[in-house]
Amino acid sequence: AQKITQTQPGMFVQEKEAVTLDCTYDTSDQSYGLFWYKQPSSGEMIFLIYQGSYDEQNATEGRYSLNFQKARKSANLVISASQLGDSAMYFCAMREGPHSGNTGKLIFGQGTTLQVKP
Amino acid sequence: DAGVIQSPRHEVTEMGQEVTLRCKPISGHDYLFWYRQTMMRGLELLIYFNNNVPIDDSGMPEDRFSAKMPNASFSTLKIQPSEPRDSAVYFCASSEPGQGALRATNEKLFFGSGTQLSVL
Repeated sequence: AQKITQTQPGMFVQEKEAVTLDCTYDTSDQSYGLFWYKQPSSGEMIFLIYQGSYDEQNATEGRYSLNFQKARKSANLVISASQLGDSAMYFCAMREGPHSGNTGKLIFGQGTTLQVKP
Repeated sequence: DAGVIQSPRHEVTEMGQEVTLRCKPISGHDYLFWYRQTMMRGLELLIYFNNNVPIDDSGMPEDRFSAKMPNASFSTLKIQPSEPRDSAVYFCASSEPGQGALRATNEKLFFGSGTQLSVL
């Protein structure tokens, strides 16, 4: 069963505008972690932001913020003031907790390709 | 720290040959993951280890794939015999133990640069 769903295969955004990349997840664990990674065309995997399941505040890292809605099981990434260098593939991921039987396992969604237009 | 080190960066081989991919995790990290990335299937988790012990290998495609972690500083992923459909980028990643109530779920993974495998 797919546990991480990214419904937007591709997105466009105008430079300097904000963009939201969607992510929903499925778990019965109370303890889990949510991550976003960026993969530019060069191929490396770059960590962007983390949200713990017990965190009451939405995580922020510079221009990145995570809109965490626990009841809806969503963890959308918001990029503010988009830059040309933000053009990349973005992956949402979840690290499972003890009740899954696979503590620490990190699984990825299918990814969203973001293109920033000048 | 040098980060997660994978070798080789590129591997071109012929169908039927044995392929061995290598990974050196970051010192002190106790989790190690092997992923495969293709256009069709995205990022697939093949297997992961905790303290050198395989925890979940359900993602390993078939018996042709095997992975070992003989010590905390080295892991291999072997494909024998290789097939053209094994062509992909293979990533190794490691993470710290983590702390507190969210131990093992709150640590990010550090990825290697990947091995681009082409099986002809």
